[in-house]
Amino acid sequence: KNEVEQSPQNLTAQEGEFITINCSYSVGISALHWLQQHPGGGIVSLFMLSSGKKKHGRLIATINIQEKHSSLHITASHPRDSAVYICAVSSYNNNDMRFGAGTRLTVKP
Amino acid sequence: ETGVTQSPTHLIKTRGQQVTLRCSSQSGHNTVSWYQQALGQGPQFIFQYYREEENGRGNFPPRFSGLQFPNYSSELNVNALELDDSAPYLCASSIDPLVTQYFGPGTRLTVL
Repeated sequence: KNEVEQSPQNLTAQEGEFITINCSYSVGISALHWLQQHPGGGIVSLFMLSSGKKKHGRLIATINIQEKHSSLHITASHPRDSAVYICAVSSYNNNDMRFGAGTRLTVKP
Repeated sequence: ETGVTQSPTHLIKTRGQQVTLRCSSQSGHNTVSWYQQALGQGPQFIFQYYREEENGRGNFPPRFSGLQFPNYSSELNVNALELDDSAPYLCASSIDPLVTQYFGPGTRLTVL
């Protein structure tokens, strides 16, 4: 069993829909990261959080430390949001990151 | 644009050869991590360097080695290349291990 599990693996949505991607982890962490990778592109860090909630534009990330669970929400989704979204966790000593397998999001116009 | 660059973009080697991949971090970023992104999987942590010393290592054999230089550049060296080493390799840098990492665009290595 992977230490970081994401769901769903693939997600197709219509433009304007509200999207939720989930991440569960089984190890102790110091922080959780949400990353975005466009096809053929590099990885961009969206959020780094250790508690509560963060918001940036149409993106919202939440984390529940007790339940070892995080969600990434996208409001009013747009085709340009189509990408792979990756959840990753930092270990307590911050010297490595463990990654989920990613969620491939496709937003259709 | 993260300010982190990697070279080369693509590289083809043959089995048994050695390869050096390079990463140039943002000025002031004392931490660099290297990852291998296997097909269909999330990146796998290779190792991290902090202030030019190895600060952590993932489950990769010793033929994967690295260096970090005072000018915020770093190298990933792989000896005795195997076919399974074919993958994109990513570097990510940050001011220190506790804050957000910025990823480079990756180097796609193909071993024939």
